[in-house]
Parts: sequence; C-alpha cells; structure tokens
Amino acid sequence: KAGVTQTPRYLIKTRGQQVTLSCSPISGHRSVSWYQQTPGQGLQFLFEYFSETQRNKGNFPGRFSGRQFSNSRSEMNVSTLELGDSALYLCASSLEWGTDTQYFGPGTRLTVL
Amino acid sequence: QKEVEQNSGPLSVPEGAIASLNCTYSDRVSQSFFWYRQYSGKSPELIMSIYSNGDKEDGRFTAQLNKASQYVSLLIRDSQPSDSATYLCAVNWETGNQFYFGTGTSLTVIP
Repeated sequence: KAGVTQTPRYLIKTRGQQVTLSCSPISGHRSVSWYQQTPGQGLQFLFEYFSETQRNKGNFPGRFSGRQFSNSRSEMNVSTLELGDSALYLCASSLEWGTDTQYFGPGTRLTVL
Repeated sequence: QKEVEQNSGPLSVPEGAIASLNCTYSDRVSQSFFWYRQYSGKSPELIMSIYSNGDKEDGRFTAQLNKASQYVSLLIRDSQPSDSATYLCAVNWETGNQFYFGTGTSLTVIP
C-alpha cells in the first residue's frame, strides 16, 4: 500500500507571497493532520481534517489554513509568507478521527527568502 | 498547557549497548503514547505505540509506560549504528485527538 505523499517536496518563496501544499493520505485513511517542524520548536500541530471538516486547530495565525477534499486529499495554504515560516511541513494520515496511529509523509521543505 | 518533554541529548552509546530514552508529560488525562524515529532530513516513522502501564516489547525495542509518574521511555537493546537518529515522543490526550510531540532526543550509536 502506498504511503502518504506530499507535493511539492521543496519550495522557495519570497516574503509576502502565498503557498499551497498538498497531501494525499494512505489509501483508506480519512484523517489528515498537518505539522510544522523547525529546529527550535520541534513538531508543532497545525490542524487536522476529517470528512472535509477541520476537527482540531493548533495555535497558529489565521494566515495558515487548510481544507480537505471528498477523496481525503488535503491542502494547506499559507498567505503573506514571513521569514519565520521557513520550515518542514509534514502531513500525517490516520484511519479515522480518533484513531491514534499517525503515519507521516516525506514533508515539504519551504524556504522563505 | 499540555507539554511533552524530552532530554534533547545528544545521547551517545557504544554499539551493542542499551540506549535509554525518556519522556515526561504534563497531563494525567492521557490516552496513548508513541515513539517515532526521525533520520536527518527524513520524516518521522512510527516505532511503537503503548496504551497501558507496563512494558511493551517489539524486537530490540521496549516501551515502558508509567502513568502515575507521567513518563514513558524507550529502550533500544543491542544498539546499532543504524539506530542513530532523533527519537520523538508523542502523546495523544483523550480530549480532541490532538498529538503533542516532544522536541526529540538525538541518539548516536558509536561503532
């Protein structure tokens, strides 16, 4: 069974731009979570989607948003990029909401110049 | 404020030794606990999950959970150089199905 896939793998943007990241969960998995990973802060939870609905949200500004489609694929958008948004963005999928085992994708490395 | 804390290390052990990684968490109302391994430049991969007090063994890995003391540990027996990575502890609290991760412990196994 194919794992979690994320596209693109690498992105370079400039301050003020916006970016959209994509995540396709493991086949049959319906819950998708997004995390930001930086050397200083570690893995920080952004939000979780299940059945096209945001179920949980972390402590990030409104510039970070996401959505989930009927096929469980998810996108994350960051508007008005700041230098501090440079990070590895990880997507994790799990079978159902409330199912606690998460499997991570390879991540998207975002660099903001 | 829910928190998960790990000693950042680095932890160095010789090949063949036992590596012991520890994690404490702040809230007693916790549901499940996980250890992930992350190689440099890669994404986290699940090693083990543990839900009840006591030990759980899987090959060379043993997870230990003590809810009364609010800690979970990971023992790696017969450590190999390929075990050199950052190990992340994650806790899923009962409310909200949200994962909280520690900042990770860097392990180096010296040949």
